[in-house]
Amino acid sequence: AQSVTQPDIHITVSEGASLELRCNYSYGATPYLFWYVQSPGQGLQLLLKYFSGDTLVQGIKGFEAEFKRSQSSFNLRKPSVHWSDAAEYFCAVGARGNNRKLIWGLGTSLAVNP
Amino acid sequence: GAGVSQSPSNKVTEKGKDVELRCDPISGHTALYWYRQSLGQGLEFLIYFQGNSAPDKSGLPSDRFSAERTGGSVSTLTIQRTQQEDSAVYLCASSSPGVNQPQHFGDGTRLSIL
Repeated sequence: AQSVTQPDIHITVSEGASLELRCNYSYGATPYLFWYVQSPGQGLQLLLKYFSGDTLVQGIKGFEAEFKRSQSSFNLRKPSVHWSDAAEYFCAVGARGNNRKLIWGLGTSLAVNP
Repeated sequence: GAGVSQSPSNKVTEKGKDVELRCDPISGHTALYWYRQSLGQGLEFLIYFQGNSAPDKSGLPSDRFSAERTGGSVSTLTIQRTQQEDSAVYLCASSSPGVNQPQHFGDGTRLSIL
């Protein structure tokens, strides 16, 4: 079955610390992968996406993610977290050539301590 | 440019009433999606429109839910005879033509059923 797992429901880090949010997927076809961020009361904003090519993808707001096919993972990282990064983060997986339905993780809630 | 616009931003109604939620996608975006996000849950796909093709309604949870898209632009999600379990944030997204285009989200409508 197709699925996306974000193992960490909630993470708290200190401002300035590094961050890694985990995403594992189970998908029969070659996937394309997204990370979105959702601030309170707002919709989702695309952070970055992976289709093909370089497995290390750079996104907005200083985020990056690495696609590891052997581990079926697409973890999101940031070297130094800012207080404004506190939000909900969602990983999503879709099929190449098919816009219809993305498979979404349940999200990781990030809190940032000053 | 303008993003995806949803209205109302908040809706409180009594159980049994009908509600209509509106989504105005980004101009030129041919694909439009509706999702439901319940507290502590990920995104639940509801329905997908792509151009003039028949919509993918496979995610609609019951026949009380329906959606239409007029003129290939604005979409309305209608929930008839609302139930308390319909309380959620309803998110709309749109994407531009072409495969694997990222989805751009509105800020959602928070629906509360009393």
